[in-house]
Amino acid sequence: DAMVIQNPRYQVTQFGKPVTLSCSQTLNHNVMYWYQQKSSQAPKLLFHYYDKDFNNEADTPDNFQSRRPNTSFCFLDIRSPGLGDAAMYLCATSRDPSGETQYFGPGTRLLVL
Amino acid sequence: GDSVTQMEGPVTLSEEAFLTINCTYTATGYPSLFWYVQYPGEGLQLLLKATKADDKGSNKGFEATYRKETTSFHLEKGSVQVSDSAVYFCALSERGRDDKIIFGKGTRLHILP
Repeated sequence: DAMVIQNPRYQVTQFGKPVTLSCSQTLNHNVMYWYQQKSSQAPKLLFHYYDKDFNNEADTPDNFQSRRPNTSFCFLDIRSPGLGDAAMYLCATSRDPSGETQYFGPGTRLLVL
Repeated sequence: GDSVTQMEGPVTLSEEAFLTINCTYTATGYPSLFWYVQYPGEGLQLLLKATKADDKGSNKGFEATYRKETTSFHLEKGSVQVSDSAVYFCALSERGRDDKIIFGKGTRLHILP
């Protein structure tokens, strides 16, 4: 089945220690998104790639970076995680932007010690 | 700017009860409207969508009708099950506008056996 895969499902890191979360998709979609979701809140868009074009949200901290080496993979790098970065991180894809359905992965829950 | 407002939860119902979760939106153009569902510990799944006025989206016994005159997209189900317990997000996405989905804050639904 075509799908969006996130690894790992749970990630534990230490305060200030860089961490990378990964996302892959078999849908061959053009757009990939990263969201941060904290408890009992809606997902918050961090950034997205439309093909190779990177689009950062204005309020996304510099601590968060992303890479998309090819169509199938996208990575979220947190350079120096703080306690406030503990959250669920959701990857999503869509065929094209604007008005299109987004397909979400299962998420990676990040714990910062 | 565009926004989505949905009823606050939690909503607690008994099994086989009728469900309505209200959702209204503001948009400058003609958005697509979505309901996403998030089960505990999981990512978001598309439940249903509607792309133009008077369209009805339906899936798994859930329905929602795109009402342009009242700018609403209320979610309904005639007989809920315990397995419907989840968080439900109403959302919109507007073609040509920032490549984003705008989510409501989510409504947590508890179904009691």
